[in-house]
Amino acid sequence: NAGVMQNPRHLVRRRGQEARLRCSPMKGHSHVYWYRQLPEEGLKFMVYLQKENIIDESGMPKERFSAEFPKEGPSILRIQQVVRGDSAAYFCASSHFPGQENSPLHFGNGTRLTVT
Amino acid sequence: GQQVMQIPQYQHVQEGEDFTTYCNSSTTLSNIQWYKQRPGGHPVFLIQLVKSGEVKKQKRLTFQFGEAKKNSSLHITATQTTDVGTYFCAGGPGANSKLTFGKGITLSVRP
Repeated sequence: NAGVMQNPRHLVRRRGQEARLRCSPMKGHSHVYWYRQLPEEGLKFMVYLQKENIIDESGMPKERFSAEFPKEGPSILRIQQVVRGDSAAYFCASSHFPGQENSPLHFGNGTRLTVT
Repeated sequence: GQQVMQIPQYQHVQEGEDFTTYCNSSTTLSNIQWYKQRPGGHPVFLIQLVKSGEVKKQKRLTFQFGEAKKNSSLHITATQTTDVGTYFCAGGPGANSKLTFGKGITLSVRP
């Protein structure tokens, strides 16, 4: 039973280019979350999606960042016109719909984005 | 918005010593979760606490949820070098909502 798959593991982009990060949730999971982690900082929530719907994007910058989770295929986090400050580890996590409490998150290995 | 705080950010212990860390939320939580991240790795789920005053044990690790559901603790008995890593607590108001993570505490263990 494959876990959460993220690719690429490492991504280098020059300033102004676009970065596309992919995430395939665990089998049977319909909820995807994206978190950003800077060195020696915690995990900052960016966006929470279900299939074809954005549930909460309160942590995602309004400009240059977008996310989707289509009916078929992986979730995509897209960063346009990257800047040096976008360099970070981006983690995707998935969960099964929980009921009353938050369901445990299963994280992927992350994508380390470096902007040169 | 909701804030989850973990202080301090670093702690160094001698192997065999006990270790306790705390997590505080600015709001009442529906549940709290703990994760561990090894250097260079990804966060891995450890435990979830739901009930007020709940205590759960995993081998040498003991987790507690406060009576007011606004704080939690993690206690490690007789630390080992395998306990090295960053421990995050994360709180959520309930279903269909995001988890807010603390900044984590990075534990180092001197052999």
